Amino acid sequence: KAGVTQTPRYLIKTRGQQVTLSCSPISGHRSVSWYQQTPGQGLQFLFEYFSETQRNKGNFPGRFSGRQFSNSRSEMNVSTLELGDSALYLCASSLETYEKLFFGSGTQLSVL
Amino acid sequence: GENVEQHPSTLSVQEGDSAVIKCTYSDSASNYFPWYKQELGKRPQLIIDIRSNVGEKKDQRIAVTLNKTAKHFSLHITETQPEDSAVYFCAVSQGGSEKLVFGKGTKLTVNP
Repeated sequence: KAGVTQTPRYLIKTRGQQVTLSCSPISGHRSVSWYQQTPGQGLQFLFEYFSETQRNKGNFPGRFSGRQFSNSRSEMNVSTLELGDSALYLCASSLETYEKLFFGSGTQLSVL
Repeated sequence: GENVEQHPSTLSVQEGDSAVIKCTYSDSASNYFPWYKQELGKRPQLIIDIRSNVGEKKDQRIAVTLNKTAKHFSLHITETQPEDSAVYFCAVSQGGSEKLVFGKGTKLTVNP
């Protein structure tokens, strides 16, 4: 069974640009959640999707958005990039809830 | 919202010693408590989890104990080995939402 796949692996953008990250969950998993990881801050919850609906959202500005498609694949978009958005963005999938998350390798975003 | 504090932030032990990492939380409605291990440059992986109706769970050299009254839970690793070196994250389910709140992590170093 293939694991959680995130693309691209690395991204370099400049301030003001926008970026889209992609996540393909494990086959059969319907829940996809996104986290921002920065050194010393742990994993900050961004949002979670289940059956194409956003079930929960973290405390991030509206520049961060996402969506989920009918095949459970998910995308995350960040508009008007800021230097502070530089981070590792991880997505995780699970069967239905937050239990037993399987993480992808992440997308390392650098904003210059 | 839920507040999760994790201590210590760094821990160094000799091979063969035990390691204990503790997390405290604030939401009495939390009922799911996983631990994730993230090796350098790799994705976080679930190593053990516990639900609120269980006080202790063990899996070979790792165990988790939960004290619901005091709102804290701990990860215990016995007979540590160099391959246990990693960052360990605790997490807590937030009551009433499909969301995990993570601690900021503990960097464990096992010295040969």
